[in-house]
Amino acid sequence: GNSVTQMEGPVTLSEEAFLTINCTYTATGYPSLFWYVQYPGEGLQLLLKATKADDKGSNKGFEATYRKETTSFHLEKGSVQVSDSAVYFCALIRPGAGSYQLTFGKGTKLSVIP
Amino acid sequence: DGGITQSPKYLFRKEGQNVTLSCEQNLNHDAMYWYRQDPGQGLRLIYYSQIVNDFQKGDIAEGYSVSREKKESFPLTVTSAQKNPTAFYLCASSSGETQYFGPGTRLLVL
Repeated sequence: GNSVTQMEGPVTLSEEAFLTINCTYTATGYPSLFWYVQYPGEGLQLLLKATKADDKGSNKGFEATYRKETTSFHLEKGSVQVSDSAVYFCALIRPGAGSYQLTFGKGTKLSVIP
Repeated sequence: DGGITQSPKYLFRKEGQNVTLSCEQNLNHDAMYWYRQDPGQGLRLIYYSQIVNDFQKGDIAEGYSVSREKKESFPLTVTSAQKNPTAFYLCASSSGETQYFGPGTRLLVL
């Protein structure tokens, strides 16, 4: 079946540190891949996405590259800020399902300290 | 402003009671979704609807029911058959691959 595996958190970084959150997936076909962010007590916001191999999604200084050969979509940011503290979810769209059903990873909580 | 609204923000359920969570969108999206979020579990799909008057079960539909009488609205009822309803419930809508989420409703059991 389809699944998403994220690195376990929580992750604690100092401000201006480099961030990597690992995400790997299992899927039949060629899924589209997403990163969503959830701030405390809120719903999810789309952070970035990539729809085919070697695509790079980017937004607000975050980047992730769709790597088909390693079935990965790792999230990176060069210099994190306190305001980046949130839970980050990697997700894929199940291909060929006839509807756009997201499969989520369990989420990685990031805390950035001043 | 276009977006998705969910109400109430907090909801309390007594034993044996059915409760209904509201989800409204003004994005003119055809598809709508309900997810349940538990700590450390990520999000799991409860029900989804691709078009008015049609909906399908997701991965954890037992103990829940939905209706889709209008394009803008997709209410979720948590029935008394759902024995562990305490969770954060998120509604989403989409017109393609990208889903947009509401702010969520936290359901607590008294």
